[in-house]
Amino acid sequence: EPEVTQTPSHQVTQMGQEVILRCVPISNHLYFYWYRQILGQKVEFLVSFYNNEISEKSEIFDDQFSVERPDGSNFTLKIRSTKLEDSAMYFCASSQDSPSEQYFGPGTRLTVT
Amino acid sequence: RKEVEQDPGPFNVPEGATVAFNCTYSNSASQSFFWYRQDCRKEPKLLMSVYSSGNEDGRFTAQLNRASQYISLLIRDSKLSDSATYLCVVNIVGQGGKLIFGQGTELSVKP
Repeated sequence: EPEVTQTPSHQVTQMGQEVILRCVPISNHLYFYWYRQILGQKVEFLVSFYNNEISEKSEIFDDQFSVERPDGSNFTLKIRSTKLEDSAMYFCASSQDSPSEQYFGPGTRLTVT
Repeated sequence: RKEVEQDPGPFNVPEGATVAFNCTYSNSASQSFFWYRQDCRKEPKLLMSVYSSGNEDGRFTAQLNRASQYISLLIRDSKLSDSATYLCVVNIVGQGGKLIFGQGTELSVKP
């Protein structure tokens, strides 16, 4: 069964450093998303991406965040200058259509020290 | 008012019990509805979409009442493996596929 994959599973970084989180969506999906979940809190939407453009972004997704589809398979989330409050689980998701069922990857646990 | 509100839980039930989860949403422009389950520190996994006519998948039944802006999930004959957090999720028209999650209701099924 096709699935979304994410790397790394855990990333530790120092405050102010840049991080890139990577995702490989399901191959025939066209819509891609990033969500985050701070420990003990609900899952929050960050951004949606379709046809090489951002479709929607949340207030969390400020100038420090960017997304890219650098090739036909990868979808990345970059945080330019990490803050302590960026520590969270980051989930990538993809869907065939929109709106449609979204399938989530296993997540990257980001720890900012 | 929260966009998606669920029973706070946790629910502790014996194996074989029937459990009902309730959820309300505030935005009448919500167009798609889902139940996901999330195991501890794992990703949300799609359990089922929720349709206006109601739908069933084995032991799981989902209902939607658009007039009341209310969604439910019923689990019959609960198993130990059903222990997880159940997430009520909605999508609002015109918002780029954005999913809005409830806080989740934790279920613990005991032998």
